[in-house]
Amino acid sequence: EPEVTQTPSHQVTQMGQEVILRCVPISNHLYFYWYRQILGQKVEFLVSFYNNEISEKSEIFDDQFSVERPDGSNFTLKIRSTKLEDSAMYFCASSETRHGETQYFGPGTRLLVL
Amino acid sequence: DAKTTQPTSMDCAEGRAANLPCNHSTISGNEYVYWYRQIHSQGPQYIIHGLKNNETNEMASLIITEDRKSSTLILPHATLRDTAVYYCIVRVGDQGGKLIFGQGTELSVKP
Repeated sequence: EPEVTQTPSHQVTQMGQEVILRCVPISNHLYFYWYRQILGQKVEFLVSFYNNEISEKSEIFDDQFSVERPDGSNFTLKIRSTKLEDSAMYFCASSETRHGETQYFGPGTRLLVL
Repeated sequence: DAKTTQPTSMDCAEGRAANLPCNHSTISGNEYVYWYRQIHSQGPQYIIHGLKNNETNEMASLIITEDRKSSTLILPHATLRDTAVYYCIVRVGDQGGKLIFGQGTELSVKP
């Protein structure tokens, strides 16, 4: 069964450093998403991406964040200058166009900012 | 998107049916009811969705009341691996839009 994959599974970084989280969505999917979950809190939407541009973004997704689909298979989330409060699980998800309501999530990347 | 209300936690005995309720009294005509679950620290997993008819798949059944103001997710024979947080989400379907997760119901399946 096709699945969304994410790398790395864990990332530790120093405050102020840039990180790139990588995702490989399901191959025939056209909508892509990033969510995050701070430990003990709800899953929060960050951004959706379709047709090589951002469809929607939340208030969390400020200028420190960017997304890219560099090569037709990967979907990346970049945090330019990490802060302590960026420590969280980051989940990538993807969905088909026609049945966009069903989103398939990856296993997540646990980011720890020290 | 309409707001949903779910109990914070529930217990269920292994092998028994788990019935998870959700209230969505402000649901509008074009909004679907979706259920996802999150097993500890894993990515959320889609379970089932419906508009107004009851739905069943290999994982669960979804019962939606006639007035659509509430629904119940049924896991017919719960196993220990069904221990997870279950999220009821209401949103307009057929669009590539965000999912808004609440706190969900923490289901504990006990031997």
